[in-house]
Amino acid sequence: DAGVIQSPRHEVTEMGQEVTLRCKPISGHNSLFWYRQTMMRGLELLIYFNNNVPIDDSGMPEDRFSAKMPNASFSTLKIQPSEPRDSAVYFCASSLSRGREQFFGPGTRLTVL
Amino acid sequence: SQQGEEDPQALSIQEGENATMNCSYKTSINNLQWYRQNSGRGLVHLILIRSNEREKHSGRLRVTLDTSKKSSSLLITASRAADTASYFCATEGAQKLVFGQGTRLTINP
Repeated sequence: DAGVIQSPRHEVTEMGQEVTLRCKPISGHNSLFWYRQTMMRGLELLIYFNNNVPIDDSGMPEDRFSAKMPNASFSTLKIQPSEPRDSAVYFCASSLSRGREQFFGPGTRLTVL
Repeated sequence: SQQGEEDPQALSIQEGENATMNCSYKTSINNLQWYRQNSGRGLVHLILIRSNEREKHSGRLRVTLDTSKKSSSLLITASRAADTASYFCATEGAQKLVFGQGTRLTINP
């Protein structure tokens, strides 16, 4: 298995632009997680899905952030409009089920100028 | 918050020595997990210990869990340069997995 796949690996954009991050979880995994990592705040859970259904989005910073999982093999995290404070590394992770070990993707390093 | 807090924040030791990192948390948990993150990479799962377990081994790793003290420790024996990384504990409670801030481990050759 290729593991969790994320794209793009790096994204540089200007304030106000829309950003879309993509994730393909490991086949057969039922849970998918989006995290954000910064030096100041560490690793934060933004949202997680179970069987393609959003279960907990309490970590989503504000309405500018949205996430979808249209099917079991694809998820997106969208920021619109982006702001410099959104600059961070965004990780997607998947697991067989909630409570099991999570497998992380390589992350997307987002820089908003 | 059930967030785990690692101690120390940074640790630097000589190759071959043992490294011990600690994690404390505040609320009851279902399990506690340890992850490693190399610079610029995603996190890699190391070991999971359930709340009814006290100790677990995996290769050179030994994890203990004391639910009465709400604490866990990760011991890496006979450290190698390749062990240089950040190590995170994560607690699984009723809602979700919550990560601590991590311990930055440096192994000096």
